[in-house]
Amino acid sequence: AQSVSQHNHHVILSEAASLELGCNYSYGGTVNLFWYVQYPGQHLQLLLKYFSGDPLVKGIKGFEAEFIKSKFSFNLRKPSVQWSDTAEYFCAVFRMDSSYKLIFGSGTRLLVRP
Amino acid sequence: EAGVAQSPRYKIIEKRQSVAFWCNPISGHATLYWYQQILGQGPKLLIQFQNNGVVDDSQLPKDRFSAERLKGVDSTLKIQPAKLEDSAVYLCASSPDRSGGYNEQFFGPGTRLTVL
Repeated sequence: AQSVSQHNHHVILSEAASLELGCNYSYGGTVNLFWYVQYPGQHLQLLLKYFSGDPLVKGIKGFEAEFIKSKFSFNLRKPSVQWSDTAEYFCAVFRMDSSYKLIFGSGTRLLVRP
Repeated sequence: EAGVAQSPRYKIIEKRQSVAFWCNPISGHATLYWYQQILGQGPKLLIQFQNNGVVDDSQLPKDRFSAERLKGVDSTLKIQPAKLEDSAVYLCASSPDRSGGYNEQFFGPGTRLTVL
């Protein structure tokens, strides 16, 4: 069965530190890739997405992610985090076959200390 | 543009009771999804509607869960009877077309269900 793995369940950083959250998936076919974010008290919202083309994609609020097909990875990065980045981050994979299903990872809770 | 609306936001029931959740998607969005998010896990798809037809309900526990989408607009998800393990946040999402991967899925605020 396809799975999406997020290796870090909890991350604590100080402001201005660099961030990298890992995401690996197990499906070998064509996929679309997403990072969603849930800020405290808010609903899930899209941070960035990869469909095709340049494997380095940029999203909102200075976030970026790199798709490495050979490693089945889609890691999220930000050079300098802010306190307002405190949130839960979910990686999600959409299978480009008949299932048309979005599979989420278990999420990473990020706490940024001021 | 109004977002996805869900109600209630919170619900506490005892096991074996029934509960229903309501979702109103973004106007014009053809596809509607219900997800279950258990604490510490990512959202898991329960059922997907395209207009008022079911596209995928393979992960819906059909012995106790049911869902409908009236007239291809709003939707209800029901649990009858509830079990302790149904405690979770139930998320509704919508997207403009069937292939939600091509377009962003827009999520509602969720309904947090506690079964005692």
